[in-house]
Amino acid sequence: QVQLVESGGGLVKPGGSLRLSCAASGFTFSDYYMSWIRQAPGKGLEWVSYISTSGSSIDYADSVKGRFTISRDNAKNSLYLQMNSLRAEDTAVYYCARRGGIQPWGQGTLVTVSS
Amino acid sequence: NFVLTQPHSVSESPGKTVTISCTRSSGSIANNYVQWYQQRPGSAPTTVIYEDNQRPSGVPDRFSGSIDSSSNSASLTISGLKTEDEADYYCQSYDSSIWVFGGGTKLTVL
Repeated sequence: QVQLVESGGGLVKPGGSLRLSCAASGFTFSDYYMSWIRQAPGKGLEWVSYISTSGSSIDYADSVKGRFTISRDNAKNSLYLQMNSLRAEDTAVYYCARRGGIQPWGQGTLVTVSS
Repeated sequence: NFVLTQPHSVSESPGKTVTISCTRSSGSIANNYVQWYQQRPGSAPTTVIYEDNQRPSGVPDRFSGSIDSSSNSASLTISGLKTEDEADYYCQSYDSSIWVFGGGTKLTVL
């Protein structure tokens, strides 16, 4: 079945780095634009970044621009988010998402930025 | 960029029908598909409506979606409310390739 599985979260100090991964299965990953979505504790859903099918088109929310880098490996059916210069306000559950059709939400991966 | 505005909370009794609105601030609601997500406490979101009015298999037909160009809004209607429908509901659309979310509506079934 269609599935997205996020991993790589954890506890990191302010200013630190983390790399999130998302493994896709059950669909043709290379056919879909992909995004990262996050949800801070007790807050709503927030779009973070998107990447086109080939990786040639990318954009970021202003809140992460210059600090986060999205990438993908279509051969490995995987999406990534490199997060640098992390701040307390980046604390959230991070989900990967595909554009189009039914969004197969995974369980997300929790990123906690705290000293 | 546009904003999607939802009521902060709604409440209704079991067995009744409730409608949650999602109003687009600029540009036509019909320009891009609208999705609706349900999120129960402590759980990841799940998709209850996609592409304005399509229901994934496994989602009861008590859930329906629609768009109204005259009010530039989308709506999620849940009929025959059950206590298990108590959750947060988010509408979502696209601004080019950017995902735009509504602020979420807390549905209380009491």
